[in-house]
Amino acid sequence: GENVEQHPSTLSVQEGDSAVIKCTYSDSASNYFPWYKQELGKRPQLIIDIRSNVGEKKDQRIAVTLNKTAKHFSLHITETQPEDSAVYFCAATANTGFQKLVFGTGTRLLVSP
Amino acid sequence: EPEVTQTPSHQVTQMGQEVILRCVPISNHLYFYWYRQILGQKVEFLVSFYNNEISEKSEIFDDQFSVERPDGSNFTLKIRSTKLEDSAMYFCASKVAGPTDTQYFGPGTRLTVL
Repeated sequence: GENVEQHPSTLSVQEGDSAVIKCTYSDSASNYFPWYKQELGKRPQLIIDIRSNVGEKKDQRIAVTLNKTAKHFSLHITETQPEDSAVYFCAATANTGFQKLVFGTGTRLLVSP
Repeated sequence: EPEVTQTPSHQVTQMGQEVILRCVPISNHLYFYWYRQILGQKVEFLVSFYNNEISEKSEIFDDQFSVERPDGSNFTLKIRSTKLEDSAMYFCASKVAGPTDTQYFGPGTRLTVL
């Protein structure tokens, strides 16, 4: 079945550093790749997404890149701030179930002041 | 900005009891989903629903689970006879229509089965 792998599981950085989280997916038909930020006890909140016809997308300090050939996509956060601390999940649509989302295992990002 | 809402925020039940989790998707959305997240783990797909019928369900979504859209606004998940392992956060999500439209998540219902 569809699978999304995510690395690293935890990431600690100093405030102002960059953070990179990487995901790979198995379903070559996947065409939509959202990233969600989840704070403790809260709902997943979409922070950025990319569609398969685009290689890169940027929104202020956040960027996502997609390599369809290698089935890789990555989240880049620059100038990290303590409020960026949360769990980040990548996801990919499956080609079934009206594009259900298949989630990665999550990355716990800790930004120290 | 419209949001997906869910009730209750926390449900505690005894093993073997029935529970109904309620969701109100965003009003112009046509596709609805239930996901669950066991504490500390990733979000897992349960079921998708469109045009008043299930379009896909996962292995988790066995005969004890059912979904319904009883009226034009509510979307419910029923667990007929809860088990300890059903304890999790249950998220409802909805999206407008297109294959690459964003899925918006509700705040979740934390289900605790004792």
